[in-house]
Amino acid sequence: GEDVEQSLFLSVREGDSSVINCTYTDSSSTYLYWYKQEPGAGLQLLTYIFSNMDMKQDQRLTVLLNKKDKHLSLRIADTQTGDSAIYFCAEIPTSGTYKYIFGTGTRLKVLA
Amino acid sequence: NAGVTQTPKFQVLKTGQSMTLQCAQDMNHEYMSWYRQDPGMGLRLIHYSVGAGITDQGEVPNGYNVSRSTTEDFPLRLLSAAPSQTSVYFCASNDPGSGNSPLHFGNGTRLTVT
Repeated sequence: GEDVEQSLFLSVREGDSSVINCTYTDSSSTYLYWYKQEPGAGLQLLTYIFSNMDMKQDQRLTVLLNKKDKHLSLRIADTQTGDSAIYFCAEIPTSGTYKYIFGTGTRLKVLA
Repeated sequence: NAGVTQTPKFQVLKTGQSMTLQCAQDMNHEYMSWYRQDPGMGLRLIHYSVGAGITDQGEVPNGYNVSRSTTEDFPLRLLSAAPSQTSVYFCASNDPGSGNSPLHFGNGTRLTVT
């Protein structure tokens, strides 16, 4: 079946780096996304990576893509308490359908 | 520019009642979709629409109906509510014509069925 897998929980200390991992299913996915969900809110696009890239950096965020292993990661440098949220990775496994498949979400807790 | 607006934010229903969750977007997006979010299960697609007058089923469509009479609105109807439909519901829209097409989400409707 189509499963995008993430670990459910991650706890880090303020100022440390966080690494959230995701294993996706379809090597033909064109874009892979990271969304952030704060308590009581909808999901907001955090960043994305095009499938022909290995890495994308955006300020404190670094996305790494390993297409061979179908592994996607999100690194947050200098993690702050405001980064506490649920992080979802997502792919579109069938080209042209725009039917996203979401991971289960990783709840990041930042300890002061 | 409000983005995607969902109403109500909270709702409690008794088993067997029906209701409609409203969703509107002001970005002129062709694609709209409904997801439900349950603990440990991520987001699952209920129904989606690729344009006015066109709808299709997602992963978990049973017990829900949708219609798309305008580009802006995409209501989700629960025909006869069941406790298994207790969840948080999100509406989303996107624009497939722009290549990279991230979803824009509403803030969700938290539904409890007793």
